Amino acid sequence: EAQVTQNPRYLITVTGKKLTVTCSQNMNHEYMSWYRQDPGLGLRQIYYSMNVEVTDKGDVPEGYKVSRKEKRNFPLILESPSPNQTSLYFCASRVGEPYEQYFGPGTRLTVT
Amino acid sequence: GDSVTQMEGPVTLSEEAFLTINCTYTATGYPSLFWYVQYPGEGLQLLLKATKADDKGSNKGFEATYRKETTSFHLEKGSVQVSDSAVYFCALSNAGGTSYGKLTFGQGTILTVHP
Repeated sequence: EAQVTQNPRYLITVTGKKLTVTCSQNMNHEYMSWYRQDPGLGLRQIYYSMNVEVTDKGDVPEGYKVSRKEKRNFPLILESPSPNQTSLYFCASRVGEPYEQYFGPGTRLTVT
Repeated sequence: GDSVTQMEGPVTLSEEAFLTINCTYTATGYPSLFWYVQYPGEGLQLLLKATKADDKGSNKGFEATYRKETTSFHLEKGSVQVSDSAVYFCALSNAGGTSYGKLTFGQGTILTVHP
């Protein structure tokens, strides 16, 4: 089954404790991205990757890092989480044009 | 830059009522337009799409027409069901400039349908 998986689905942590949210897709997509969803703001792109070892900032990259060492995986790293990073995070991967994206189930992160 | 504006929610309807959720956009060039749906506790699923002017996307009884002259992509359904209760997002993707096909989302509209 074609899918995007994320782990963990729920995470509660404390300020400053480094964490990683994993994302994996089995569709051999080259393009992957991370979004955060906040009430009243819709989804905003954090980082994206056009292919292995090619990553770039989206609209809200501050406080986040990513890596793309393999085509299928695109982890999101929070080196020093802060409460304003409390949000619902989605990983997505993209087939070709017209750029529709497939989304993972989401990770709800709470930083206290 | 590109932007999407959706009608304010939440929207509350009775079963079998007619649904319209307005969506307008600002973008350069010729974006593709999408409606995504998010059911409670789940990720986003593509509901329908349209890639050029006057295209009509449709799925599960929902429809939306790409209107370039009014820069709109309103979502409609003739008779909603309780199972349609969800959050609906209008989005665009623009291959032009430096967007690299990024999805730009509206703020989402919460729909609740009562029996």
